[in-house]
Amino acid sequence: EVQLLESGEGLVQPGGSLRLSCAASGFTFSSYAMTWVRQAPGKGLEWVSTISSGGGSTYYADSVKGRFTISRDNSKNTLYLQMNGLRADDTAVYYCAKGMGNDYSSTWRFDYWGQGTLVTVSS
Amino acid sequence: EIVLTQSPGTLSLSPGERATLSCRASQSVSRSYLAWYQQKPGQAPRLLIYGASSRATGIPDRFSGSGSGTDFTLTISRLEPEDFAVYYCQQYDSSPYTFGQGTKLEIK
Repeated sequence: EVQLLESGEGLVQPGGSLRLSCAASGFTFSSYAMTWVRQAPGKGLEWVSTISSGGGSTYYADSVKGRFTISRDNSKNTLYLQMNGLRADDTAVYYCAKGMGNDYSSTWRFDYWGQGTLVTVSS
Repeated sequence: EIVLTQSPGTLSLSPGERATLSCRASQSVSRSYLAWYQQKPGQAPRLLIYGASSRATGIPDRFSGSGSGTDFTLTISRLEPEDFAVYYCQQYDSSPYTFGQGTKLEIK
């Protein structure tokens, strides 16, 4: 059974930093691209960042580029999101999600999601 | 950036009825790279449809997707009580990989 378990929830002041983790199990983690998607309270879904299966390619939404860094440790089956320079509009539940397959188009559609972890940016 | 506009914002129907949800793109979504997700309160999204019309694993056949170009539709043929939720479309044709704002399907 595929499982994705996010951690790192917290309350951070504006300008602060936080690192999220996503522990994966039930599939060959190193074979799939992984993605972070966020959802502000009461709002819709927003794609944040994606990393290729091997970690060599990363992609970011303009809203987080230069502030967030996605990474992965395939030996630990874990995905990360380092968030620096946090702003109030980064407040959201952050989901990690698994790409559906190994071809290009499958990277960007997500067949398994974690339950999410809440990041609150407030003074 | 491809903007996805979903309509209606809220759809009120009864169990057993047919639901038709629309997703319109601001520019053509090539190769029908469009997906639909269902989200229930307090839960993560669940993939229903990809490639505009292919059902994901384990999704009942009462869910179907159609469309191409800029106009896409999710149809639920006969609503079950567990289908009342928020539905999002997503394009994965070009970055940024945007979602629609959602359609809330509520019990009438």
